[in-house]
Amino acid sequence: DIQMTQSPSTLSASVGDRVTITCRASQSISSWLAWYQQKPGKAPKLLIYRASSLESGVPSRFSGSGSGTEVTLTISGLQPDDFATYYCQQYNSYPNTFGQGTKLEIK
Amino acid sequence: EVQLVESGGGLVQPGGSLRLSCAASALTFGTYAMSWVRQAPGKGLEWVSAISGSAGSTHFADSVKGRFTISRDNSKNTLYLQMNSLRADDSAVYYCAKARGPDSGAFDIWGQGTMVTVSS
Repeated sequence: DIQMTQSPSTLSASVGDRVTITCRASQSISSWLAWYQQKPGKAPKLLIYRASSLESGVPSRFSGSGSGTEVTLTISGLQPDDFATYYCQQYNSYPNTFGQGTKLEIK
Repeated sequence: EVQLVESGGGLVQPGGSLRLSCAASALTFGTYAMSWVRQAPGKGLEWVSAISGSAGSTHFADSVKGRFTISRDNSKNTLYLQMNSLRADDSAVYYCAKARGPDSGAFDIWGQGTMVTVSS
């Protein structure tokens, strides 16, 4: 099974900051990776698929990059609505696996 | 608007069974793979099971293999998760999620979730 290690687990930032979250896979996942945003009590929301493709309706301040065993999510110019928990997910192979999550908090 | 609505959650005793349903609307249901993803209280997301659009292939997490069964009725636009031999650590919110492709893919549509509590 492919293990996804996400870092950091918690991130404190201010409105307007640029932040980066990283996921490392235990083996190559090519570009078969998605990023999700989850707010308390809500279902996750897809932000990025295929490592760098922006889901329709998602603001362009979200971007993804990388392939193979390391991928990153960058949020440029944090907005108040962005403070949430973020998860990566590999769908290169089954079982699909999620990272442990990164809680983005207001500094 | 594409929508997924789960039902069937509730309180069940350890060793018991429960069947979850996920009704889809406004999409060509049989075209897409579907998954179940769960989240224990205060914890992260855990992928549970997936089924291809044609129902020709199914996949399970090791934690539920042999106890859970996934199925779908494309004529009814409905996904199911049959959960047997339930344990306390199966307690979670269960989400159904639509994949972008017929066999796998990122999950672009999610249901609102249904809570399963396994307790005596």
